[in-house]
Amino acid sequence: DAKTTQPPSMDCAEGRAANLPCNHSTISGNEYVYWYRQIHSQGPQYIIHGLKNNETNEMASLIITEDRKSSTLILPHATLRDTAVYYCIVSAWSSNFNKFYFGSGTKLNVKP
Amino acid sequence: AAGVIQSPRHLIKEKRETATLKCYPIPRHDTVYWYQQGPGQDPQFLISFYEKMQSDKGSIPDRFSAQQFSDYHSELNMSSLELGDSALYFCASSEEQGQQFFGPGTRLTVL
Repeated sequence: DAKTTQPPSMDCAEGRAANLPCNHSTISGNEYVYWYRQIHSQGPQYIIHGLKNNETNEMASLIITEDRKSSTLILPHATLRDTAVYYCIVSAWSSNFNKFYFGSGTKLNVKP
Repeated sequence: AAGVIQSPRHLIKEKRETATLKCYPIPRHDTVYWYQQGPGQDPQFLISFYEKMQSDKGSIPDRFSAQQFSDYHSELNMSSLELGDSALYFCASSEEQGQQFFGPGTRLTVL
């Protein structure tokens, strides 16, 4: 079962930062936080992941609270192409495999 | 960069028929996962393989079986197809910190 809670939908103006929250209050010490997005019926696209430190890559930034019970995905300058369902997933990586339980995600609508 | 390859991309079958879906992971990825996404639903984990051995199992029906071969590609075999099996089937492969990279999916329609 999904261990995360996300708002069902959010709106963002094009060019502005999109901040997508995720609650994972029962996260274990060995569980990573992964973010994916799915555009229409395409395969989920990896965005970013982290364990306890904040992370940044060319797509987004991930802010994880000190107690690790919540995180925020930041898309710094949202474009219309960022309209998608965003999934926050927590999963432990051990013995070279893990499994993802997808919750309902957040439908991000980027508007002109 | 190479991505996960799935074939076929679309498949239409009749009820009670059999289907085989194939997945070719990203080179050097040795773990493969299968997910099912029904219409309007979120992806659901089915099964995973690491080094050709089943590593975990989710909500996979007994009518389905899967395996990973020596070249690390994987096949999902689905028998006695039902209307409810109509869905998108995604394969993913992963690397060292568990980031899974998903393929484009196979859309299965059962008539």
